[in-house]
Amino acid sequence: RKEVEQDPGPFNVPEGATVAFNCTYSNSASQSFFWYRQDCRKEPKLLMSVYSSGNEDGRFTAQLNRASQYISLLIRDSKLSDSATYLCVVNFRTSGTYKYIFGTGTRLKVLA
Amino acid sequence: DGGITQSPKYLFRKEGQNVTLSCEQNLNHDAMYWYRQDPGQGLRLIYYSQIVNDFQKGDIAEGYSVSREKKESFPLTVTSAQKNPTAFYLCASTQFGTTSEAFFGQGTRLTVV
Repeated sequence: RKEVEQDPGPFNVPEGATVAFNCTYSNSASQSFFWYRQDCRKEPKLLMSVYSSGNEDGRFTAQLNRASQYISLLIRDSKLSDSATYLCVVNFRTSGTYKYIFGTGTRLKVLA
Repeated sequence: DGGITQSPKYLFRKEGQNVTLSCEQNLNHDAMYWYRQDPGQGLRLIYYSQIVNDFQKGDIAEGYSVSREKKESFPLTVTSAQKNPTAFYLCASTQFGTTSEAFFGQGTRLTVV
């Protein structure tokens, strides 16, 4: 089983739609969680960190469910500019070091 | 401005040659990482380093080597033993710890010709 798994998509949604992505992780010792956004042929950029209590940033809401070992990202009122790949990232400690493991990404295309 | 710089942006290599990709950061971050990304794929961890003079293999280290002689620098060598090196290579750095986000360089696109 992969350490971090995401549905690769693509998700094609109309402008204004609400879309949700899930990401599951296998290591119960995972300690921090992030969503990154990656545009085509560019480096990933942090979209938001994910906290146990859930957090919201404008149209974006992230949730963490430690019991079920998944994190989610909800995008409301989708804009054309939200079209990108969304990467789930999990950080966990192993043998005294920290590893950042990325999911394969979920592609989102918002259609006019 | 603080940041992380990768060079070159594009690199062409003949089969059988070793090439070294540069990654430098002035963020005073302890940890640095190298990832490989293939078209339509996520990022796969090649090597990472938490402190100077120490590094660990990631999930796909075969055919690659690294060094960490200085805190700011973490070069990656793609050796001739790497059978399929054409890919997008990303370097990242973080503060050591559990909650820090990873900052990325702009990537190096390596093509074997």
